[in-house]
Amino acid sequence: ETGVTQTPRHLVMGMTNKKSLKCEQHLGHNAMYWYKQSAKKPLELMFVYSLEERVENNSVPSRFSPECPNSSHLFLHLHTLQPEDSALYLCASSPRTSGAKNIQYFGAGTRLSVL
Amino acid sequence: GIQVEQSPPDLILQEGANSTLRCNFSDSVNNLQWFHQNPWGQLINLFYIPSGTKQNGRLSATTVATERYSLLYISSSQTTDSGVYFCAVGETSGSRLTFGEGTQLTVNP
Repeated sequence: ETGVTQTPRHLVMGMTNKKSLKCEQHLGHNAMYWYKQSAKKPLELMFVYSLEERVENNSVPSRFSPECPNSSHLFLHLHTLQPEDSALYLCASSPRTSGAKNIQYFGAGTRLSVL
Repeated sequence: GIQVEQSPPDLILQEGANSTLRCNFSDSVNNLQWFHQNPWGQLINLFYIPSGTKQNGRLSATTVATERYSLLYISSSQTTDSGVYFCAVGETSGSRLTFGEGTQLTVNP
């Protein structure tokens, strides 16, 4: 148990569906992250959220929409996805967004399949 | 951006063997983490080691920041050590972690 919980663990959706991924951290951290892990590729950072900043990766398509209502919760809203968006989506949290000992802890991930 | 290279990409061992995994990075870092990803996708923190040496049971890690590499040692490997080992680094000037492509470790009984 890493203190970062993701739901659902598995999700199958059609290209016209709208769904949301949820992440909750119980570590008192102030920064949260979404990563995408596709088969045979390294983890790619999608979004960073913190009390100080919201950092968006301009290469992430607009069909992925993040929401961070508070420092403990992070959502990833999905709509009109493509089959190539099928991947493992991982959430992480850390004490802050920069500086020494800024260790990131990961959730177990949501395995998404887009049909 | 910073480049991270891990070697070897694949490693197959017999139970009880020792191994060394390597991570090279292209710029100064203030964060370096080693992770183990189990078959279910969970990334488990092994070490936070931007410099120096640490040990935790059968695992140890060394980072030589001036030469821009880190090593992960696994001794007396067990089948439960199987999975993918990732090195991830954070640049001194930024916040994000950049991951290497990982080493796929298979430990056979």
